Amino acid sequence: AQKVTQAQTEISVVEKEDVTLDCVYETRDTTYYLFWYKQPPSGELVFLIRRNSFDEQNEISGRYSWNFQKSTSSFNFTITASQVVDSAVYFCALSEARGNTPLVFGKGTRLSVIA
Amino acid sequence: EPEVTQTPSHQVTQMGQEVILRCVPISNHLYFYWYRQILGQKVEFLVSFYNNEISEKSEIFDDQFSVERPDGSNFTLKIRSTKLEDSAMYFCASSDGLSSSTDTQYFGPGTRLTVL
Repeated sequence: AQKVTQAQTEISVVEKEDVTLDCVYETRDTTYYLFWYKQPPSGELVFLIRRNSFDEQNEISGRYSWNFQKSTSSFNFTITASQVVDSAVYFCALSEARGNTPLVFGKGTRLSVIA
Repeated sequence: EPEVTQTPSHQVTQMGQEVILRCVPISNHLYFYWYRQILGQKVEFLVSFYNNEISEKSEIFDDQFSVERPDGSNFTLKIRSTKLEDSAMYFCASSDGLSSSTDTQYFGPGTRLTVL
């Protein structure tokens, strides 16, 4: 069975600090997809990134970066120079690679960025 | 940019009543999903729908739930006889379904269901 663990329930940082959100996953599949979604206080789920299991290159998008390490089954998310607008709950999710399959979410990490 | 829309944003109902939650997926998407999030908890999969039939469903999706695509644009979730524990945020999502390499699910803003 698939499982996603986000051990950090809540994190508080001061604006401009860097912060890393941890995600560890379990799956028996050899190929799979990993995702991060952001849920701001308004409640919607905003897609941030999708990573295929066969592509272990790290990715950077502006202040966001993702570190995928298959050897440790981790897909961590770093926000550089955090801003108050980054305050949200961040969910890591996993799905099978056969396409259009259910997402298995972690419990989320609530990030509070203090001005 | 195309987006998933959901109505209503908030629904309050009495226990035992039927509710229908509505979603308009992204127009060229072929796969549709419902998820729910009980307050403060993680997002859980309910059901996926493709080609006018259920593709997959979770244990949560029991006989009290049903889904339908009544026309070319809407996708609905019906709860026949609501229970207090059905109170949650319900998210609709869609993906293009063209290939496994492009099946990112995009979520709507959610409907908050409160059962009294």
